[in-house]
Order: sequence, then structure tokens, then C-alpha cells
Amino acid sequence: AQSVTQLGSHVSVSEGALVLLRCNYSSSVPPYLFWYVQYPNQGLQLLLKYTSAATLVKGINGFEAEFKKSETSFHLTKPSAHMSDAAEYFCAVSGGSASKIIFGSGTRLSIRP
Amino acid sequence: GAGVSQSPSNKVTEKGKDVELRCDPISGHTALYWYRQSLGQGLEFLIYFQGNSAPDKSGLPSDRFSAERTGGSVSTLTIQRTQQEDSAVYLCASSLVEGMGGELFFGEGSRLTVL
Repeated sequence: AQSVTQLGSHVSVSEGALVLLRCNYSSSVPPYLFWYVQYPNQGLQLLLKYTSAATLVKGINGFEAEFKKSETSFHLTKPSAHMSDAAEYFCAVSGGSASKIIFGSGTRLSIRP
Repeated sequence: GAGVSQSPSNKVTEKGKDVELRCDPISGHTALYWYRQSLGQGLEFLIYFQGNSAPDKSGLPSDRFSAERTGGSVSTLTIQRTQQEDSAVYLCASSLVEGMGGELFFGEGSRLTVL
């Protein structure tokens, strides 16, 4: 069985500051890990994914995430926040390509001018 | 269309009535998911269809909820005897599993309000 925990339901950073959104997972098999983003009044879209290749994954809009097996983490980062990054971010885990995908509770990112 | 299509986009119903929500996935996608998104609750997994395999129904919250997928394409989520706590946005997503690592493509959702 898989599960995912997102620490912090709401994160607020200043424009230009580092963005760090935390995600820890649990999986009985090597996982696939994802970050999805939901901009206001829009549908969810894939930001990036880890599928057992490189542990540092780069996604769209300057975001990246690092898979750390020893810490069972897949935190999302961006060096410099932009106002357009304000959105809800969801971490998700799957136990393989034929397994259901389980989402975390989401983290709302706000950007201060 | 090219994306996942859901209907209706909005549904208001009275407590105790049955509702049906429809999802038309991307053509050729073998996997189809239903999720429920409530305010502050994230995405709650409901059910997962994968090809001809038996669906994973482990997320359905009660026996009032059921779903079908006909011909490996269109899916219908049915909620019987709706309750106020069923009010949420119901999201459908499809996936072409092979070579995509399970990436999901989401529809716009069906917002259900139970009065």
C-alpha cells in the first residue's frame, strides 16, 4: 500500500525567495512519485515525475524535486519564487505503472510581493 | 476533443436523490481514475479502472457509490441517496500507462452540491 504526507497545508514566501514544499511517502515497492499543480480555477497538471531514473527531477516552470530513498522524501523546490507560482501543489505516489495513484492533501503556495 | 471530458460541470441536487457523473477519457488511454476533491481535503482516491482488469474500488466511501466503465472508454460514477457530505468536486483522470509512468490527465471536474 502507498501513502503520501505533505507537511504544511499553506506555505507563504516572498517573491524571489526559495520555494520548498515537503512530501514524504510510504510504499511497499519502489515508487513512482509525482508533483501536480492546480492553478486557480484550472485543472490539475503534471509538474514533474520520478520513475526510477535520475534522482533529481526537473519539471516545468523552474521546479525540481529530489528523490531521497533513505528519507522517503520527494520535496519540491524552486530557487526563486514568482507571483505566477501561486497555486495548490499536490504530491502523489504510485506503486508502479499498473498501480493506483494516491495524492496528498495538498499545499497552497502564496507569494508575497 | 483531445482532453478528458466530464459532465455535468455543475450539479445541484436534493438530499436523497441519485446522481450520475460522466467521464469521457482521452482516446486510447487504458487507465481511468475517479477522485473527490473537497475543500481542504486534497484529492481522495475513489476508484481505478485499468484495461480489462477488475477495478480497484478500495476508495469508494460507502455502498451508495458505484462506477462503471463501458467498452473500456466512457465511465459513469453513480451516487445513490445523496447526502450533504457528498458535496465536492468529482474529478476524472485518464492515463496511457505504458511509457508514461502513470501520468494522469485530468478533466475539469463535476461540482456536486447536495442541498
